[in-house]
Amino acid sequence: GAVVSQHPSRVICKSGTSVKIECRSLDFQATTMFWYRQFPKQSLMLMATSNEGSKATYEQGVEKDKFLINHASLTLSTLTVTSAHPEDSSFYICSARDPGTSGGGPDEQYFGPGTRLTVT
Amino acid sequence: AQSVTQLDSHVSVSEGTPVLLRCNYSSSYSPSLFWYVQHPNKGLQLLLKYTSAATLVKGINGFEAEFKKSETSFHLTKPSAHMSDAAEYFCVVNYGGSQGNLIFGKGTKLSVKP
Repeated sequence: GAVVSQHPSRVICKSGTSVKIECRSLDFQATTMFWYRQFPKQSLMLMATSNEGSKATYEQGVEKDKFLINHASLTLSTLTVTSAHPEDSSFYICSARDPGTSGGGPDEQYFGPGTRLTVT
Repeated sequence: AQSVTQLDSHVSVSEGTPVLLRCNYSSSYSPSLFWYVQHPNKGLQLLLKYTSAATLVKGINGFEAEFKKSETSFHLTKPSAHMSDAAEYFCVVNYGGSQGNLIFGKGTKLSVKP
């Protein structure tokens, strides 16, 4: 099946610094990728939808200037947390849609293993 | 508003006994429905999905789910729990749209006692 990777799996950074998280589709081209945030013992919350070659679409309440998303190629999307604060500590998960298996429809998303961000 | 409700935040079963994780959705038409499993500090793995074909869907690891439109339910079951089934389970709904955004239930934590 389709595989999505994330790097790094775990990162600790100091308050005020920026952190970049990569999401890659390893064996398919993903025109659309999604970024989620998961707080402890809670469900996933969609942060933004990343489209290759265009600006990301952010969900209401998500600061686009703080969470920079770049989808420069069909296999890579990056999320940069700028000027990180302790409240940004969370588990960030990306997913990618494989139009090859879903026929261009909205159904099949493949999830990365997640990135644990801790801001001290 | 479109939503998905997982009725139990925590389910505890003994190894070898049946598992039932409940999920209800709100919809005026049939959405696509998924069950995902998440082990601690891991990403999500797709267990099974319903996309308007057979109402009884078989997934991996012995799990299955039945789509019941009259009850707007998509409960997840397994005849016999294994210790390795202990994890967080998410019922997820896709109501369509150009981006195909998923709506996640709040999750059910499954504990399996020896």
